Amino acid sequence: AQTVTQSQPEMSVQEAETVTLSCTYDTSESDYYLFWYKQPPSRQMILVIRQEAYKQQNATENRFSVNFQKAAKSFSLKISDSQLGDAAMYFCAYRSARGQGAQKLVFGQGTRLTINP
Amino acid sequence: EAQVTQNPRYLITVTGKKLTVTCSQNMNHEYMSWYRQDPGLGLRQIYYSMNVEVTDKGDVPEGYKVSRKEKRNFPLILESPSPNQTSLYFCASGVAGTYEQYFGPGTRLTVT
Repeated sequence: AQTVTQSQPEMSVQEAETVTLSCTYDTSESDYYLFWYKQPPSRQMILVIRQEAYKQQNATENRFSVNFQKAAKSFSLKISDSQLGDAAMYFCAYRSARGQGAQKLVFGQGTRLTINP
Repeated sequence: EAQVTQNPRYLITVTGKKLTVTCSQNMNHEYMSWYRQDPGLGLRQIYYSMNVEVTDKGDVPEGYKVSRKEKRNFPLILESPSPNQTSLYFCASGVAGTYEQYFGPGTRLTVT
């Protein structure tokens, strides 16, 4: 079974600085998707960024980018120019590309990010 | 507006009193799923459905039931709730075979 590990329960960063959230996963599959979700105090789950495992190029969405290291099974999220609105719980998630595992997201434990003004 | 709705948003109940959390989506999605979120554990899948009358267990199905009689609705049933089912519950939907899932706003359930 696939597992996702976020080893940083909490992180903090100064406003306008850059922060990196870590995520590692374990799988024997070669084709899968990886995601970062943001959960603000409203509890809504918001998709921040996704990465297809077959793509070598790291995904980028505005101030959010990932460092995808397939061999190391690592998928970190970098937030540049941190803003107060970035304060939230962040979840890393894995999804198989096919088969039974494609029917669910496997989540990490979450990292609570605080932005200091 | 395309959305997934859940009701109720908050619920406090007592052990053993049957309850249903409703989930509805207006995007004509085939796939729907239930997750629970607990501190330090992230979200874990309870049940999912690939289409009407097609449901299957996720990773933590014990103590829960689901049904999918209509494409838009996927209720979660707790026939005899226990305190260990106190959690934050999310419904999600998506187009089968695609990567993205759309999440509902969550239901905070407390069982005393």
